[in-house]
Amino acid sequence: DARVTQTPRHKVTEMGQEVTMRCQPILGHNTVFWYRQTMMQGLELLAYFRNRAPLDDSGMPKDRFSAEMPDATLATLKIQPSEPRDSAVYFCASGLTRQGRNEKLFFGSGTQLSVL
Amino acid sequence: QKEVEQDPGPLSVPEGAIVSLNCTYSNSAFQYFMWYRQYSRKGPELLMYTYSSGNKEDGRFTAQVDKSSKYISLFIRDSQPSDSATYLCAMIRDNYGQNFVFGPGTRLSVLP
Repeated sequence: DARVTQTPRHKVTEMGQEVTMRCQPILGHNTVFWYRQTMMQGLELLAYFRNRAPLDDSGMPKDRFSAEMPDATLATLKIQPSEPRDSAVYFCASGLTRQGRNEKLFFGSGTQLSVL
Repeated sequence: QKEVEQDPGPLSVPEGAIVSLNCTYSNSAFQYFMWYRQYSRKGPELLMYTYSSGNKEDGRFTAQVDKSSKYISLFIRDSQPSDSATYLCAMIRDNYGQNFVFGPGTRLSVLP
């Protein structure tokens, strides 16, 4: 059963520490998204990649967040330094883009981040 | 005004009831519409995917799109306690590589 895998599931850290979240997209999918979910803001797009190239990272605070795809099976989201306001659930999602159109999006189970 | 609006609920119904969940949107460029279900501490999972106005049925679920009114609905027939979750609508524009826009979600509780 193909699924998006995210690690870690939970992360508790102190303010100022570096946090790295990882995502393994569904094999064959060529588009990867990072979302952040909070009660107040709902799902917010942070960044997305197609064929490993970043297409849009306008939703990320550039001074502290970075997203990369070192290869087709791994996407990373890094926060350095972390702040309490970064506490949220971070979701990775993957999909298949055909003829320029994003099709169905499949989500991982998320990383619950708490920054103390 | 947000691009996609959705009543956050919570919505509580008795088991067996028909549930109606709705979203309105402001941008007529949206062409593809989806409903996701999200259980507590889980990621959203795709329930329905539709293009164009009209109805699409899948088991107990019916998705309805009215592009002229910029209004989409999800109906759940014979609701079950296992349907208790947050339901998010999502939509994308019909152009190249644009991202999905999500509604804030409606929390549904189906009481046994």
